Amino acid sequence: AQRVTQPEKLLSVFKGAPVELKCNYSYSGSPELFWYVQYSRQRLQLLLRHISRESIKGFTADLNKGETSFHLKKPFAQEEDSAMYYCALSGLQGAQKLVFGQGTRLTINP
Amino acid sequence: DGGITQSPKYLFRKEGQNVTLSCEQNLNHDAMYWYRQDPGQGLRLIYYSQIVNDFQKGDIAEGYSVSREKKESFPLTVTSAQKNPTAFYLCASIGTGPEAFFGQGTRLTVV
Repeated sequence: AQRVTQPEKLLSVFKGAPVELKCNYSYSGSPELFWYVQYSRQRLQLLLRHISRESIKGFTADLNKGETSFHLKKPFAQEEDSAMYYCALSGLQGAQKLVFGQGTRLTINP
Repeated sequence: DGGITQSPKYLFRKEGQNVTLSCEQNLNHDAMYWYRQDPGQGLRLIYYSQIVNDFQKGDIAEGYSVSREKKESFPLTVTSAQKNPTAFYLCASIGTGPEAFFGQGTRLTVV
């Protein structure tokens, strides 16, 4: 079964502090992992995917197959990072069932 | 203006009534998805379709039905069998790339 777990519903940090949003997954095949973000009054949108190994808006995420994790990190938080973040998983092959975690609401305090 | 459109934005339903939520996309995407979003529970997959005239149940399909007669349309019907239908519903589509594009959502309230 595909499952994504985000253990923190709420996360609050101060501006300039490091941020880490946790994501763990369960999947028997080869997974593709994503982070999606929803800013206030905007549509849910893709932030980054593990295959591209890129940094978007200062965020990075590394897939750790041994720990089945895909944590999202940023070294210095900015106020505009306040949003709802969702970790998501789909299979690389076969049916593209895309499942999401419960989401983490990140608040950056000034 | 390309994209994915959900309508209506707000919908009210009396108990015992079926109601249909619309999702249309002009992105020429093959795959379409319906999610239910509840506070603290994230996005839960209701149904998804990878091609016209084919669809699969997601994790919480009970009380819902869908059709995929056209590539650009994937309507969701919330039936009277759905015990707790009040929620925010999101539709998404995926093309050749892995990125999912989302609609603005429909908020359904049972009155």
